[in-house]
Amino acid sequence: QVQLVESGGGVVQPGRSLRLSCAASGFSFRNYGMHWVRQAPGKGLEWVAVIWYDGSIKYYADSVEGRFTISRDNSKNTLYLEMNSLRVEDTGVYYCARHDIFAPHGSGNYMAMNVWGQGTTVTVSS
Amino acid sequence: DIQMTQSPSSLSASVGDRLTITCRASQSISSSLNWYQQKPGKAPKLLIYAASSLQSGVPSRFSGSGSGTDFTLTISSLQPEDFATYYCQQSDSSPYTFGQGTKLEIK
Repeated sequence: QVQLVESGGGVVQPGRSLRLSCAASGFSFRNYGMHWVRQAPGKGLEWVAVIWYDGSIKYYADSVEGRFTISRDNSKNTLYLEMNSLRVEDTGVYYCARHDIFAPHGSGNYMAMNVWGQGTTVTVSS
Repeated sequence: DIQMTQSPSSLSASVGDRLTITCRASQSISSSLNWYQQKPGKAPKLLIYAASSLQSGVPSRFSGSGSGTDFTLTISSLQPEDFATYYCQQSDSSPYTFGQGTKLEIK
């Protein structure tokens, strides 16, 4: 079945680094863009980054630009998020999500996050 | 960046009620608006894409409407499993911002 499984979360001190992974199965990973979305404890969803299906285009939220790097290895069906210079405010659950394109009624293409992982928890604390 | 504003932030309702949640974009996003449902401790689930298209497997009591800057999610008859938090998200351009969420609680 279609599945995304995140790993790599943990407790880390401010200023340190962490790398998250998202293993995909049950679909052709190389054909899909992928997102990272996070959620601070008790807060709403925050979009973090997206990478195109071939890795050619990457976009980031202002809050992580220059500190986080999204990447992928299509030969391993795996998405990554390299997080450097971590801050307390980076604490939360990190989800990976599949970038699906829909074309309702032939009226153009629309993107939505249609498949999500279960999340991995990152805690930044001294 | 496009800002997304949902209202209300929280809502109490009863089983069988009809309710509407509103989402407003800070600039026109055409129909590039998605709605997600999230239950405690779980990942979000896509309900509606392209403002009004129901995702496969989602009950027909959910519907979406709107275009430009103003959008709504309607639940026609609340069921016990619908009590959750709902988020809108714009997919027009990066950063793909979410609304702050609407928490739906049982009255």
